[in-house]
Amino acid sequence: NAGVMQNPRHLVRRRGQEAGLRCSPMKGHSHVYWYRQLPEEGLKFMVYLQKENIIDESGMPKERFSAEFPKEGPSILRIQQVVRGDSAAYFCASSPPGFYEQYFGPGTRLTVT
Amino acid sequence: SQELEQSPQSLIVQEGKNLTINCTSSKTLYGLYWYKQKYGEGLIFLMMLQKGGEEKSHEKITAKLDEKKQQSSLHITASQPSHAGIYLCGADSSGTYKYIFGTGTRLKVLA
Repeated sequence: NAGVMQNPRHLVRRRGQEAGLRCSPMKGHSHVYWYRQLPEEGLKFMVYLQKENIIDESGMPKERFSAEFPKEGPSILRIQQVVRGDSAAYFCASSPPGFYEQYFGPGTRLTVT
Repeated sequence: SQELEQSPQSLIVQEGKNLTINCTSSKTLYGLYWYKQKYGEGLIFLMMLQKGGEEKSHEKITAKLDEKKQQSSLHITASQPSHAGIYLCGADSSGTYKYIFGTGTRLKVLA
């Protein structure tokens, strides 16, 4: 059973470009969470999604950030017009329905130049 | 809002030594999770504690939850270089799915 998959593992973008981060949850998991880890800071919750639904996006910046988890395919976190402050490691986690235990992917390290 | 404080922030031990990492919550703990993070490998789930007084072990790692003190400890016995990494405690914020995390404890084990 493959774990949570994230790609790309490393992403470099210039200021103003768009960044798309993908997350494939573990088999059987229908809940996806995104977290951000800024340099020298802890992991911070961003958004919680179920298939085709955003359940809680209270940790997402109000502008430029969006997330989706379509019926088919991976969950995608999109950052438009990236700025240097967006440079961070973005982790995706998944869990099966009814469980709080979350399993994390390897992360995508975004660098904005 | 709930916060988790970990101590120490960093730790260097000689191989074979025992060590303890603490995680203290500012509010009631509904569930406490321990993860290990290595660069490029994401977070590896170690164990979950849900009940006061609960204690779990996996190989040479033991974690305990003191609900009254709102604290958990992670103890490594006879440390090895493979134990090196960043240990993170996480908790369900107010019993929800939102995890909050401590800032981590960086462990280095000298061979």
